[in-house]
Amino acid sequence: QKEVEQNSGPLSVPEGAIASLNCTYSDRGSQSFFWYRQYSGKSPELIMFIYSNGDKEDGRFTAQLNKASQYVSLLIRDSQPSDSATYLCAVTNTGGFKTIFGAGTRLFVKA
Amino acid sequence: GAGVSQSPSNKVTEKGKDVELRCDPISGHTALYWYRQSLGQGLEFLIYFQGNSAPDKSGLPSDRFSAERTGGSVSTLTIQRTQQEDSAVYLCASAPPGARRETQYFGPGTRLLVL
Repeated sequence: QKEVEQNSGPLSVPEGAIASLNCTYSDRGSQSFFWYRQYSGKSPELIMFIYSNGDKEDGRFTAQLNKASQYVSLLIRDSQPSDSATYLCAVTNTGGFKTIFGAGTRLFVKA
Repeated sequence: GAGVSQSPSNKVTEKGKDVELRCDPISGHTALYWYRQSLGQGLEFLIYFQGNSAPDKSGLPSDRFSAERTGGSVSTLTIQRTQQEDSAVYLCASAPPGARRETQYFGPGTRLLVL
């Protein structure tokens, strides 16, 4: 079992729709959870982080964390073509510093 | 302010040669990470430095890989006797101390091609 698992996609949604990206992790003691966006040929950039169970909203983005189910998700509301990218889920290990990345989910937003 | 910088941006080498990749973190950032990303793949953790503590080398794939961080700032990743499977983008990231210490800022990467 991979430490951080994501559906590779591609996930295709129409412009204006909600895109839902999911991630599961294996280390029950994981402390911090991140979503990075990576455009093709570019480096990852942080878009959201969440530490506690529940929802965290930032503009069009909402991160959801359920530690009991070892599950974290990212919702993108009013999806735009510019949101088309690979979204990487990242989890810090029990020690709190080593970060494990998922393989990423490719998102396409169709105009 | 200046972001994380990496050099060279591209490197083509022959199998068996040694290469050095450089990372300049954001000033004041105490944590520094190296990752490898093969084409179409996720990020593979290689090594992590935090201040003056011993580095976490658990991700280095073989003893051909080593990394140093001098003076708590610049870091060099060295790959000895390169192999074709070492071809990838090598990404460096740094993180600030304190409450946001896990928030990593990535450099543009070094694209390594081993012929």
